[in-house]
Amino acid sequence: QQPVQSPQAVILREGEDAVINCSSSKALYSVHWYRQKHGEAPVFLMILLKGGEQKGHDKISASFNEKKQQSSLYLTASQLSYSGTYFCGTEGQSNQGGKLIFGQGTELSVKP
Amino acid sequence: NAGVMQNPRHLVRRRGQEARLRCSPMKGHSHVYWYRQLPEEGLKFMVYLQKENIIDESGMPKERFSAEFPKEGPSILRIQQVVRGDSAAYFCASSGVSETQYFGPGTRLLVL
Repeated sequence: QQPVQSPQAVILREGEDAVINCSSSKALYSVHWYRQKHGEAPVFLMILLKGGEQKGHDKISASFNEKKQQSSLYLTASQLSYSGTYFCGTEGQSNQGGKLIFGQGTELSVKP
Repeated sequence: NAGVMQNPRHLVRRRGQEARLRCSPMKGHSHVYWYRQLPEEGLKFMVYLQKENIIDESGMPKERFSAEFPKEGPSILRIQQVVRGDSAAYFCASSGVSETQYFGPGTRLLVL
């Protein structure tokens, strides 16, 4: 039931782009993306609801393909501050009342 | 506009003692979620509460763990007779009318 994230880890140079994928075997109602730096709390990035929408702000955007039960997070022109572990949290269509099931995380390192 | 507050931030207990973790949701939020994060792992859902009600406790261990969210005061996660395997970061998140869950800074529990 846990969504699968890929890749597990990625190293970028400043200014490079990255894509992080999140796949579920179950039908999804929503996908939530968070970034967590070591020793800190997860910070909310964005939420995508079923309907195949795409969202974005600044240089971080995401898409949600309901049919494929998949979401992708796009990081463009990466900055040093983007470093951290990215988690997707999924909510199933069975109306679990807001409970999120998180993927195992993708560790992103941005080097100067 | 205070965010989600958790205390204590760090808690050290000896095996067999009790641990009490507190969470005050963001102002206006009535939904509280507890997640556990083991070192170098993802977030695991434990329990979802609304005021005076446990909505979903499917992630709670069957024994020693309990949670409450009283009409007045913070939500409390209680772990009785702690064991070394309980050592982890415990995060609380809250949400309001929207689906977005905002995380608190976490309580790092160390069991000696």
